[in-house]
Amino acid sequence: DTGVSQDPRHKITKRGQNVTFRCDPISEHNRLYWYRQTLGQGPEFLTYFQNEAQLEKSRLLSDRFSAERPKGSFSTLEIQRTEQGDSAMYLCASSSGTGADTFGSGTRLTVV
Amino acid sequence: AQKITQTQPGMFVQEKEAVTLDCTYDTSDQSYGLFWYKQPSSGEMIFLIYQGSYDEQNATEGRYSLNFQKARKSANLVISASQLGDSAMYFCAMREPYSSASKIIFGSGTRLSIRP
Repeated sequence: DTGVSQDPRHKITKRGQNVTFRCDPISEHNRLYWYRQTLGQGPEFLTYFQNEAQLEKSRLLSDRFSAERPKGSFSTLEIQRTEQGDSAMYLCASSSGTGADTFGSGTRLTVV
Repeated sequence: AQKITQTQPGMFVQEKEAVTLDCTYDTSDQSYGLFWYKQPSSGEMIFLIYQGSYDEQNATEGRYSLNFQKARKSANLVISASQLGDSAMYFCAMREPYSSASKIIFGSGTRLSIRP
């Protein structure tokens, strides 16, 4: 068990480009969450998967955002046509449904 | 709507002293779970301690204890004998109702700095 892995750790992109982040949860965890954290704030919920089913999406998740978890294992979060306001830390967490959620180290996105 | 309030943006504490980080919450549900996470500069959120709304005893985990006052909707984190490695952001968070897979709501955090 190596914990929750996120890739890349840092991403700098030009405004208007598409970016994709990957999250590998703890293998036996069937629940996976994405959060966004801006500077000086706590994380805000984006979306949640149970196995491969996306069960909840925040209104923060605009049409430019899409998340998948095709086989109920790893997940990807794609942002299309990035804007400067998308600059943030994107955190992934996984859970088995008991105990606390385990978070990854996050992907820091900078849109220039 | 559920809400977490942390009123201390930053705190400075001398090494080896105890420190209390404040947290109040708002919920209309009777069943919920309260968490504290630590976020060092590396970015990952590290789980520290959990308190269920029906737990009668205050939670403790090593040097961490949670001062749970249900009637006041307060869930303060107490760190005893602070260490330099405790310097980090600390977030209070809530999941309601606890038994579901619902999202965690976080407060805005407190930046704790330990002075040698």
